[in-house]
Amino acid sequence: GAGVSQSPSNKVTEKGKDVELRCDPISGHTALYWYRQSLGQGLEFLIYFQGNSAPDKSGLPSDRFSAERTGGSVSTLTIQRTQQEDSAVYLCASSLVGTGLNQPQHFGDGTRLSIL
Amino acid sequence: ILNVEQSPQSLHVQEGDSTNFTCSFPSSNFYALHWYRWETAKSPEALFVMTLNGDEKKKGRISATLNTKEGYSYLYIKGSQPEDSATYLCLGPGETSGSRLTFGEGTQLTVNP
Repeated sequence: GAGVSQSPSNKVTEKGKDVELRCDPISGHTALYWYRQSLGQGLEFLIYFQGNSAPDKSGLPSDRFSAERTGGSVSTLTIQRTQQEDSAVYLCASSLVGTGLNQPQHFGDGTRLSIL
Repeated sequence: ILNVEQSPQSLHVQEGDSTNFTCSFPSSNFYALHWYRWETAKSPEALFVMTLNGDEKKKGRISATLNTKEGYSYLYIKGSQPEDSATYLCLGPGETSGSRLTFGEGTQLTVNP
């Protein structure tokens, strides 16, 4: 079946521009996560959605970052006024919501964002 | 321990060697612990989800154990093969992450032919 789909797969943009990253989760998965991996770093949590609401957005690094999810499905991560330190691979994952976080996360292939 | 910690950071073994690495986490407020394999140029793939103290899971040559009272999980690979080369990530409870699970930094395994 279809997995988690992210677009674009690569994005190169100039510093100061806004970018939108899209994630289409597995059908029926109500939990959705955004992470990023900067060069040489581990996976950094950004935000978690349960349905359309975001109970945990503690990982968003600044107010230039925002995310929304509509219809309990597609999510977009928006970065305004991009900076060079925003360059990273942005990964999206989705999961069923089981008892006690016991459902595995399924990852998309990521969006590689490069800020010139 | 306040957050999920993995050791070693990297590991080089020869084909055929057996190996293991560790994920440590705060033992209070345990929910679940996940292991993922992340191969270069691919996305992370779930290996195991463990929820009970004493859990042991196995998939082929890879197995994992869980001790929630002392706050650690071991991942074992028997007879390592070059295709096992990847970063192995642990997702578990952190003191500072509330009810959300948090990833460790990973163990990068290289299996030399």
